[in-house]
Amino acid sequence: SAVISQKPSRDICQRGTSLTIQCQVDSQVTMMFWYRQQPGQSLTLIATANQGSEATYESGFVIDKFPISRPNLTFSTLTVSNMSPEDSSIYLCSGGQEGETQYFGPGTRLLVL
Amino acid sequence: QKEVEQDPGPLSVPEGAIVSLNCTYSNSAFQYFMWYRQYSRKGPELLMYTYSSGNKEDGRFTAQVDKSSKYISLFIRDSQPSDSATYLCAMSASRGSTLGRLYFGRGTQLTVWP
Repeated sequence: SAVISQKPSRDICQRGTSLTIQCQVDSQVTMMFWYRQQPGQSLTLIATANQGSEATYESGFVIDKFPISRPNLTFSTLTVSNMSPEDSSIYLCSGGQEGETQYFGPGTRLLVL
Repeated sequence: QKEVEQDPGPLSVPEGAIVSLNCTYSNSAFQYFMWYRQYSRKGPELLMYTYSSGNKEDGRFTAQVDKSSKYISLFIRDSQPSDSATYLCAMSASRGSTLGRLYFGRGTQLTVWP
């Protein structure tokens, strides 16, 4: 298994600003992902964070809004850009080895005013 | 129609009860099935993982998959107040890329009262 931590755990931001969320894994993992979890809704995959290359985004999510970095096998960041109240959500990082199950971080609770 | 349907509850049972949580799905290509448990203000924690049809037991937890009916279940025996959480089902069609794209249900909120 992998232990995943995220920073910050929560934040309150003003509309129009950007927030960068960090995800740290305690061991090297081949795959890392970013999800959004809105109240009462299922987890929605934002993108797959690829080490050393551009992230792969799901339909409805774009790089300009959610730029992602993954400089190595244990770390990734997600930026929520030019935020609006609709971006208020829980953002979750997950990771795991190729072909195995995903382990999740504790999430970052974001409120945009 | 959503790929994965899960009754959000809430479900409230007394301590010691048998709990049954269920999900249905529409994509016959799904082969890998997972149950995650999510405590309030925490990330999802993998509880059970099964491949294809059949049952899998782990302590008080049993995961059941019926691919012919596109129906999966999680049973909790002798439920405890510490089982109070949201239970999310998830499934995938392929093993690659860390079990491919995971499709999640909305989660069922369970409360076990003493």
